[in-house]
Formats: sequence, structure tokens, C-alpha cells
Amino acid sequence: KNQVEQSPQSLIILEGKNCTLQCNYTVSPFSNLRWYKQDTGRGPVSLTIMTFSENTKSNGRYTATLDADTKQSSLHITASQLSDSASYICVVSVPWNNDMRFGAGTRLTVKP
Amino acid sequence: NAGVTQTPKFRVLKTGQSMTLLCAQDMNHEYMYWYRQDPGMGLRLIHYSVGEGTTAKGEVPDGYNVSRLKKQNFLLGLESAAPSQTSVYFCASSYSSLYTEAFFGQGTRLTVV
Repeated sequence: KNQVEQSPQSLIILEGKNCTLQCNYTVSPFSNLRWYKQDTGRGPVSLTIMTFSENTKSNGRYTATLDADTKQSSLHITASQLSDSASYICVVSVPWNNDMRFGAGTRLTVKP
Repeated sequence: NAGVTQTPKFRVLKTGQSMTLLCAQDMNHEYMYWYRQDPGMGLRLIHYSVGEGTTAKGEVPDGYNVSRLKKQNFLLGLESAAPSQTSVYFCASSYSSLYTEAFFGQGTRLTVV
């Protein structure tokens, strides 16, 4: 069973709209939680990184939240753009070797 | 800065053939990783290295070997390729700190026929 579950699997929104992606994890203990953006045919690129003691982290139009008690994180995208079309991956790191446990990702499509 | 560079970008192998994937990073990172990405699944760790001369197994190591003879390079070898190894392979690197960003290469698309 995957230790990091993401929902929805895919999402289609209109340009300019907001959206929220969800991540539930069972990895424990963990050192940090990251959100990555992966464009088709490219490697993942980091958006945010939060330690277990942080609740929120922003990067431009991207805002990640973390609730370590419920083991949930979300990524909120504001005023979406066509270039936001990509897969968004939630990653939880274990502390002993910085091993990263990846979710399967949410495929976001932004349409004009 | 080149960041993390993977070679080759594409490759088609016949079952039973061998090959080596090269990952090079120019950021002086201690940690390096090899992952595979399959449709509908998250990236899975094959092998990793926490420093020059050290390697360790990840979640799906069978059928793969690695070497880290130089700090900047991490090689992934397939001794006898199988169709189940058809995948996209990603290399990543990071500093040893638990709270630093990991950087990924562009990926290698491998098809085993």
C-alpha cells in the first residue's frame, strides 16, 4: 500500500480559477513534506518544502498546508494559468536517509 | 549550471542486453538517488548513495546495480534487461541536510523489447 495517497487523480479547471490538491500520508516519523511539479517529459521540480512543525508555505501562486496531526497536506493554486498544466506530486521524506516517498500525483489540466 | 544531467535520454534494449545509465551532478551534493516512474504509480527508489564509495538498496533494487566511484557521478546498471524494466528512470541529488531541496534530472526513457 502506498504510504502517500493523492486526490484527485486528475483535475480539469478553467484558466483563472483556483484549485486545491490533497495529500494523505502514513509515513511516520517524517522529516519534511514537499510538493513537486512535473511537466510532461521532464523531471520533478520543487515547489515547496515544509518541516513537520510548519503549517503553511507559499511560493508565488502556490500555497501548501500541512496538518501533522491528521497527516494531511494540501496544495492550493490561485488564479491558474495554462502553464500550471502538469502533474503535482506530494513527497514525504523519512529522517534516517532522506529517502523520499512519492505519491502517484494529481494530473492538472488548465483549459482556456 | 547544468544541475543534474542524465545520459542517455532514450534507449531501446533487447531482452537480456545490458546497459549503464549515467547521472552527473555539479552541485557537490552528497546524496544521490535513482528512481523509476511507472504509469499510475509514484516514483520508486531503486538505489541511493549517501557519499562517494557508498551505495544502498531502495524499495525496488532487484535487477539493478549501482556505483558511486566519484562524488559527482552515480551509475545505474542493468546486467540483463527484462521487459518489466521498461520505465522512465530519474536521478536526483541533494545535500545531506534533511530540509534541503532535491534536484532531479530530465529522465531516461528505457524500453526493453
